[in-house]
Amino acid sequence: AQSVTQPDIHITVSEGASLELRCNYSYGATPYLFWYVQSPGQGLQLLLKYFSGDTLVQGIKGFEAEFKRSQSSFNLRKPSVHWSDAAEYFCAVGEAAGNKLTFGGGTRVLVKP
Amino acid sequence: NAGVTQTPKFQVLKTGQSMTLQCAQDMNHNSMYWYRQDPGMGLRLIYYSASEGTTDKGEVPNGYNVSRLNKREFSLRLESAAPSQTSVYFCASRREDSGSYEQYFGPGTRLTVT
Repeated sequence: AQSVTQPDIHITVSEGASLELRCNYSYGATPYLFWYVQSPGQGLQLLLKYFSGDTLVQGIKGFEAEFKRSQSSFNLRKPSVHWSDAAEYFCAVGEAAGNKLTFGGGTRVLVKP
Repeated sequence: NAGVTQTPKFQVLKTGQSMTLQCAQDMNHNSMYWYRQDPGMGLRLIYYSASEGTTDKGEVPNGYNVSRLNKREFSLRLESAAPSQTSVYFCASRREDSGSYEQYFGPGTRLTVT
């Protein structure tokens, strides 16, 4: 069965500093990988996705993620965070072209002024 | 184009009461999903529907029933609510264009069972 681990429950970062959120997955075949962001009281919004091809993918809001098959990882990065990036971030792995998603437990990001 | 809408936004139930959470999408998507979100556990799939007229169990289906009323609507029913069903419930639908497969989420329903 597929699974997703986000080792960091909370991360605090200063505004303007870089951010990296870790995601490790377990899946037997080629994974379909996603990062979603959830602002307080809101639904989930897709930041980026990886299906195949270039292992470095660009998303919205200045985020990028790198797929590393050898490490079973799909870490999310942003070079310089803004106060508006304070949110909860979820990594997810999909089967059969994303018909069902398995989510990690989430990482809550706090941005200090 | 409203995307995915859910009603109600908030609900408080007493143990043993029943209720139905409504979800509708106007994007002509075939697949629809119901998730629950609990602190530290991410989102867990309750039920999904790959097309009109079909439904399948997800990871945590016990205590819930679903109905895919038509292509637009997918409802979730709690027949006899329990405190363990206190959670935030999200409905989603899936885009199936080639190269996408993104799931679009509604704003959620916060349910408290006392």
